[in-house]
Amino acid sequence: GAVVSQHPSWVICKSGTSVKIECRSLDFQATTMFWYRQFPKQSLMLMATSNEGSKATYEQGVEKDKFLINHASLTLSTLTVTSAHPEDSSFYICSARPGQNTGELFFGEGSRLTVL
Amino acid sequence: ILNVEQSPQSLHVQEGDSTNFTCSFPSSNFYALHWYRWETAKSPEALFVMTLNGDEKKKGRISATLNTKEGYSYLYIKGSQPEDSATYLCAFIVTGNQFYFGTGTSLTVIP
Repeated sequence: GAVVSQHPSWVICKSGTSVKIECRSLDFQATTMFWYRQFPKQSLMLMATSNEGSKATYEQGVEKDKFLINHASLTLSTLTVTSAHPEDSSFYICSARPGQNTGELFFGEGSRLTVL
Repeated sequence: ILNVEQSPQSLHVQEGDSTNFTCSFPSSNFYALHWYRWETAKSPEALFVMTLNGDEKKKGRISATLNTKEGYSYLYIKGSQPEDSATYLCAFIVTGNQFYFGTGTSLTVIP
């Protein structure tokens, strides 16, 4: 199956700093990638849809100035958590899929962010 | 936000037991339903992509059924093995890109 790689797996940062998370499709081109956040004991919540060469589409309630998404190539999308605060501490995971709309998602390994 | 519910939240079974989980979703605006297996420290991996009412899919000891009219899908595991221990997620898809995930069922198979 297709492979999606996410980096870093975990990161600890100080409050007020910015953190960048990378999501790469290793063996396919992804014009669209998805960023999810998961709080403990909750489901994966879609934050935004990353579109190659254009602006990301953010879900309601997700601050686009807080969570900057860049999808500059067909194999790389980045999520930058700007001026992170403890309430941003969470598990972030990306996904992408080659092919048609009913196709399965391929996920990265996820990134655990802890903001001190 | 659509409500996708999975039950039970967690369960422990003995090796060799068969088990099943439920995913409930709205019965309107159905596009597709996915099942994923998520092992600890790994990426979620797709088990089944289901699109038609009445679909039944099977992969080894794992199978799934779909009822879009009443809004549920069952996942069955026959003869559970320790390597089946994982969280099983279902995702309800309304349009091509709108995925709504359940909270998952955490399965532990005791040797």
